[in-house]
Amino acid sequence: AQSVTQLGSHVSVSEGALVLLRCNYSSSVPPYLFWYVQYPNQGLQLLLKYTSAATLVKGINGFEAEFKKSETSFHLTKPSAHMSDAAEYFCAVSDLAGGYQKVTFGTGTKLQVIP
Amino acid sequence: DAGVIQSPRHEVTEMGQEVTLRCKPISGHDYLFWYRQTMMRGLELLIYFNNNVPIDDSGMPEDRFSAKMPNASFSTLKIQPSEPRDSAVYFCASSDPGTNQPQHFGDGTRLSIL
Repeated sequence: AQSVTQLGSHVSVSEGALVLLRCNYSSSVPPYLFWYVQYPNQGLQLLLKYTSAATLVKGINGFEAEFKKSETSFHLTKPSAHMSDAAEYFCAVSDLAGGYQKVTFGTGTKLQVIP
Repeated sequence: DAGVIQSPRHEVTEMGQEVTLRCKPISGHDYLFWYRQTMMRGLELLIYFNNNVPIDDSGMPEDRFSAKMPNASFSTLKIQPSEPRDSAVYFCASSDPGTNQPQHFGDGTRLSIL
């Protein structure tokens, strides 16, 4: 069964520092992977998705993620954190189950940006 | 384009009352999902539909919860009778078919059961 593991439920970085949010997946087939962001009092929004076209995926707001099959990882990075990046981030994997789309979300990582 | 629309945004009611949450998915999306989010349990998938048909309701916590999708543009999640432990934010999401298609979330309904 597919699954994703997000290491670290809370991450704190200083404004301007590198952001690194970790996600490891488990899937029996080449996965479709996603990162979502959730701002307070809002639903989840798509940041970026991996669909095997390229291992380095660029998303919105300066975020990017690199798919590494050998490490079964899809970590999210941003070179320089901004205060507005404070939010909760979810990694997700999509697969087929019984012929239907099945999406599994990670437990989320809350990013705090310190001025 | 309008996104996923949920109503009400906030609901406060007393335990034992019936609660109905509503969702209008994005036009043309074949999949509709209902989630519940709490601090303790995180984001939980309750049920999802494909072409208005329930596919997997294994996440529905109890018989007090029921969901319907009478047509492609409307879905409801009902709790009857409601209990304080049902207090949470409930999200609806929709997507195009295909495993590479992302889900589009509404802004949620914040439910408080007193």
